[in-house]
Amino acid sequence: QVHLIESGGGVVQPGRSLRVSCAASGFSFSTYGMHWVRQAPGKGLEWVAVIYYDGSKKYYADSVKGRFTISRDNSKNTLDLQMNSLRVEDTAVYYCARGRIFGVPPLFDYWGQGTLVTVSA
Amino acid sequence: QSALTQPASVSGSPGQSITFSCTGTSSDIGDFDYVSWFQQHPGKAPKLIIYDVSSRPSGVSDRFTGSKSGNSASLTISGLQTEDEADYYCSSSTSNFTVVFGGGSRLTVL
Repeated sequence: QVHLIESGGGVVQPGRSLRVSCAASGFSFSTYGMHWVRQAPGKGLEWVAVIYYDGSKKYYADSVKGRFTISRDNSKNTLDLQMNSLRVEDTAVYYCARGRIFGVPPLFDYWGQGTLVTVSA
Repeated sequence: QSALTQPASVSGSPGQSITFSCTGTSSDIGDFDYVSWFQQHPGKAPKLIIYDVSSRPSGVSDRFTGSKSGNSASLTISGLQTEDEADYYCSSSTSNFTVVFGGGSRLTVL
């Protein structure tokens, strides 16, 4: 069965960097687009970024553009999110979610359990 | 990338039918049939319950139905059950290859 397991969350000071990862198993990772979605404490869902199945294209929410970078390693079935210049408002649970096979539109049929990133002085 | 608009709360009694609304624009819901709905219980990851406006993933009850008209989408839950009490979110593709979520609606089963 499909499993997505995030890791790498923690407490970081404003302005610093952090990298969160998602390990995928149970499906052909290299054929699916992958997304990051976050949820601030007590708040709603916010889409963060998407990377195409082959890594050829990436798109970001305006709130993170220029600061966050999504990447993937299809040989290791891993998805990463490099977060630079972190702000207090980036505090959230970060989820990885599966997109569509070979496709552009989102699907989000499987989610990880999330990893908490806290940005605080 | 403004969030889709959802009512903050919806309530109903067991056995009733309730409908959630999700309002967007001509650049998201109005332009794509890639509207999804998610159910989220406290402390859990979201669960996909409707995709592509009205399709249900395998294993999701047929009590959940989705539809779309113009720039708005709807999720209807029929035969309301206590375990349906949760937060519900809509999402849509947008014209600039991004995704937008609604602010979420909390369902209370009275």
